[in-house]
Amino acid sequence: AQTVTQSQPEMSVQEAETVTLSCTYDTSESNYYLFWYKQPPSRQMILVIRQEAYKQQNATENRFSVNFQKAAKSFSLKISDSQLGDTAMYFCALDTGNQFYFGTGTSLTVIP
Amino acid sequence: DTGVSQDPRHKITKRGQNVTFRCDPISEHNRLYWYRQTLGQGPEFLTYFQNEAQLEKSRLLSDRFSAERPKGSFSTLEIQRTEQGDSAMYLCASTRLGEELFFGSGTQLSVL
Repeated sequence: AQTVTQSQPEMSVQEAETVTLSCTYDTSESNYYLFWYKQPPSRQMILVIRQEAYKQQNATENRFSVNFQKAAKSFSLKISDSQLGDTAMYFCALDTGNQFYFGTGTSLTVIP
Repeated sequence: DTGVSQDPRHKITKRGQNVTFRCDPISEHNRLYWYRQTLGQGPEFLTYFQNEAQLEKSRLLSDRFSAERPKGSFSTLEIQRTEQGDSAMYLCASTRLGEELFFGSGTQLSVL
């Protein structure tokens, strides 16, 4: 069975600081994709960053980067220079080629 | 293409009534997913289509729920004999193999 676990229900960070959101997963598939999605309050779910499991290099998108540890099945998201607009629910997701599996989310609040 | 479109945005119904939601995916996407999301939780998988074929359906989904995707284009999700526990946001998402999910804005269902 595939599972995605986010162990931090809520986090907060001061504006301009750095925060790391944790995610662990479990799958028996050898090829898969990992994603972080952002869902602002009452707004649409949007992609933050993606990682192909066969790539060793960690993905980076501007202020967002991941720490992908395949052996440990860990996929954390680092947000640098946090901005007020980063306040949202963040979901980690696993794509095994059929289903997408989502974690329960981390609610991030950026404090001015 | 304007993205994934869902209709209606909001639906209020009385317990026992039937409701139907529509999703128009991004035109070149062959995979379409339905999720249910309650406040503060991650998306819960309901069902998945590849083209017009319904490949997977959640075991948690009761017989009151049915989905179709005629001709592999738009999809409908019908809930028969609605219950108060069906109140949730119903999300549709589409993708192609190896790409991220693109979400619609969702249909917020309230069962009175």
